[in-house]
Amino acid sequence: TQLLEQSPQFLSIQEGENLTVYCNSSSVFSSLQWYRQEPGEGPVLLVTVVTGGEVKKLKRLTFQFGDARKDSSLHITAAQPGDTGLYLCAGLDLSQGGKLIFGQGTELSVKP
Amino acid sequence: DSGVTQTPKHLITATGQRVTLRCSPRSGDLSVYWYQQSLDQGLQFLIQYYNGEERAKGNILERFSAQQFPDLHSELNLSSLELGDSALYFCASSEWGQGTDYGYTFGSGTRLTVV
Repeated sequence: TQLLEQSPQFLSIQEGENLTVYCNSSSVFSSLQWYRQEPGEGPVLLVTVVTGGEVKKLKRLTFQFGDARKDSSLHITAAQPGDTGLYLCAGLDLSQGGKLIFGQGTELSVKP
Repeated sequence: DSGVTQTPKHLITATGQRVTLRCSPRSGDLSVYWYQQSLDQGLQFLIQYYNGEERAKGNILERFSAQQFPDLHSELNLSSLELGDSALYFCASSEWGQGTDYGYTFGSGTRLTVV
């Protein structure tokens, strides 16, 4: 069974600070996705990374896929209260129909 | 609105009962996925259907079953409910059956409380 470990589990920072969330696995995934989930809602896709070493930017968010396609990171620059939420990484497991395996998530709180 | 509709939004029921959760996928999506989210387990994959057929199975209990109908909507049936089944149940959809790099579209979930 492929597993994804996210760290840290909880992060509380002040507005304007930078932060990095890590997503690690011992398995190789064909692609890795990052989602953001707000209370009472389902996860919403932020980005998909496919190629080892790939870097994608979404405004103040930078996503990187490890060279070996086993790990990924999410870096947020100058965090804002609106960034508060649960960040989930998910790896695509093609061995059985392409299901997404999710990490436990990182609960981010950005205080004004 | 993500385009994936889940009903009901909230459900409170007693132990031993049976409930049915419903999901209508986003227009054009053929695959439906069911996930269970609890505080201690995170998002756990239950089952996937593609165009009416079961495609992949996760750690779904024998008390749980699902199906996808010809109009592509899906139902998740939970029976002999236990307190530990209390969780958020999400449905997601995608266009393809063999996984996609375009991600899943999730519904808003059904919060099930078993008392």
